[in-house]
Amino acid sequence: EAQVTQNPRYLITVTGKKLTVTCSQNMNHEYMSWYRQDPGLGLRQIYYSMNVEVTDKGDVPEGYKVSRKEKRNFPLILESPSPNQTSLYFCASSLGSAASTEAFFGQGTRLTVV
Amino acid sequence: KNQVEQSPQSLIILEGKNCTLQCNYTVSPFSNLRWYKQDTGRGPVSLTIMTFSENTKSNGRYTATLDADTKQSSLHITASQLSDSASYICVVSERLTGGGNKLTFGTGTQLKVEL
Repeated sequence: EAQVTQNPRYLITVTGKKLTVTCSQNMNHEYMSWYRQDPGLGLRQIYYSMNVEVTDKGDVPEGYKVSRKEKRNFPLILESPSPNQTSLYFCASSLGSAASTEAFFGQGTRLTVV
Repeated sequence: KNQVEQSPQSLIILEGKNCTLQCNYTVSPFSNLRWYKQDTGRGPVSLTIMTFSENTKSNGRYTATLDADTKQSSLHITASQLSDSASYICVVSERLTGGGNKLTFGTGTQLKVEL
């Protein structure tokens, strides 16, 4: 089954403790991205990657890092999480970034930083 | 600044009734407009994608319209079902000069279908 898999689904952590949220897709997609979703706001892009070893900042990259060493994986790293990073995070992938390519989203990771 | 605004913010309808959700955008240059359905606690799932030249697109009981001149779109749901209860998100794609597209998301319309 074609899918985007995120882990963990739920995470509670303390301020300053490094964490990684994994994202994997099995559709051989080139384009992957991370979003955060907060109440009253639309999804906002954190980082994106157009291919292996090619990553770039989205609209809200502060406090986050990503890597793309393999095509299928695109982990999101919070080196020193803070309470304002409490949010619902989504990973998405698509065949490319062209106009009509459909984006597939993971199930989401709900992160709470205390 | 590119923006996507949706209305209403929330809506309650009875099962079997129709409803229409609205989306206005200021994204430019326009590439395409997408409607997504997001169930509570789940990731968004694509319903329709429309390019500049398309003014209507259907996916089962969902019909999206696009007026690129007025920068407005609507999503019409026919004969609603309880399973239609979800957030419906309008997403507009901006064509980037270097190639590729950037998505701007609306905040969604929360639809609840009741018996």
